[in-house]
Amino acid sequence: GAGVSQTPSNKVTEKGKYVELRCDPISGHTALYWYRQSLGQGPEFLIYFQGTGAADDSGLPNDRFFAVRPEGSVSTLKIQRTERGDSAVYLCASSPLTSGGTGELFFGEGSRLTVL
Amino acid sequence: AQSVAQPEDQVNVAEGNPLTVKCTYSVSGNPYLFWYVQYPNRGLQFLLKYITGDNLVKGSYGFEAEFNKSQTSFHLKKPSALVSDSALYFCAVRAPIYNQGGKLIFGQGTELSVKP
Repeated sequence: GAGVSQTPSNKVTEKGKYVELRCDPISGHTALYWYRQSLGQGPEFLIYFQGTGAADDSGLPNDRFFAVRPEGSVSTLKIQRTERGDSAVYLCASSPLTSGGTGELFFGEGSRLTVL
Repeated sequence: AQSVAQPEDQVNVAEGNPLTVKCTYSVSGNPYLFWYVQYPNRGLQFLLKYITGDNLVKGSYGFEAEFNKSQTSFHLKKPSALVSDSALYFCAVRAPIYNQGGKLIFGQGTELSVKP
């Protein structure tokens, strides 16, 4: 498909379990972003990649959260020892390489995580 | 640090009337400003952006936004609202950088309700 693809669309897990969320960006987009959106809130920045490297991971809330993008395309957000407070919609976005960072972000439909 | 404020949680408008959704920002230097729309259970969709140039920016679905540097505002407007415009609207800001990327910081969102 032409858009950003995120899987799974819904994930229900138990407290303490490990979760992986996958993002397949638009082909050719070098920048990839992860956001978290809680009910009634705006998207909260977690991390972004330029190519394979994390250019800014200042939004990751703690060391239970980790993200990788080993080949500069697909990315996986990993959450260890999940807590109920991790329940949210996790959004992925990608952006083409543009001068000065003026390009808009293209978002996927998100992965809804529920931690019981 | 960058920040965005959307002072209204909800805006109610009658169909056919003009609408305004307010946004103010704080950023060092000249900002890059964006508006996104989110329909229920969907990802965020880009509406328009201001990078430089004309202060009045036109975007998708008949929306426009006016950049006002002295008031640090970027209000979203539409001359005649449609019921189908009912959705959640997010303003976002990015500080200008030259390394071709950079996170967007989002506001809390404003729910627009257009009644027939």
